[in-house]
Amino acid sequence: DAGVIQSPRHEVTEMGQEVTLRCKPISGHNSLFWYRQTMMRGLELLIYFNNNVPIDDSGMPEDRFSAKMPNASFSTLKIQPSEPRDSAVYFCASSFFIDAAFFGQGTRLTVV
Amino acid sequence: KNEVEQSPQNLTAQEGEFITINCSYSVGISALHWLQQHPGGGIVSLFMLSSGKKKHGRLIATINIQEKHSSLHITASHPRDSAVYICAVNGGATNKLIFGTGTLLAVQP
Repeated sequence: DAGVIQSPRHEVTEMGQEVTLRCKPISGHNSLFWYRQTMMRGLELLIYFNNNVPIDDSGMPEDRFSAKMPNASFSTLKIQPSEPRDSAVYFCASSFFIDAAFFGQGTRLTVV
Repeated sequence: KNEVEQSPQNLTAQEGEFITINCSYSVGISALHWLQQHPGGGIVSLFMLSSGKKKHGRLIATINIQEKHSSLHITASHPRDSAVYICAVNGGATNKLIFGTGTLLAVQP
């Protein structure tokens, strides 16, 4: 298995633009997590899906952020409109229930 | 107070030394994870444990559920062990991952 695959690896966008981050979890995993990492706040859980259903989205900072998981092999995290304070590294991870979580390489987002 | 506390925050060691990183948590958990993040940013899951002890090569992780404490040990440390080590627990009503702030380890040759 190729592991958790995220795209793009790097994204630079202008303030106000829509940004879509993509994640392909490991086949057979039933839990998917989106995290954000910044120097100031460290790693934060944004949203957690189980069997494609959002279970806990209390970490989503505001309505500008939305996440979907239309099927077991794909998820998106969308920011619309983007702001400079959204600049961070966004990680996707998947696991089988609460077994060890496997992380993607992350997407480094810069909003200018 | 953070629900997951790690110590030390920063650690410098000489190659070959035995290293211990500690993690304490204040919530009920179903599992505890140790993660490693290299300078390039990638995150690797080292251990997931809910009781006892696990060993992978030079890495050992232990957990004491009663004391709500876990330790990560590195034997015969090497410069390539230099990374940030993060403790995380599955806690709360939804078992979401709650992260510690990480321990920055630098192993000098």
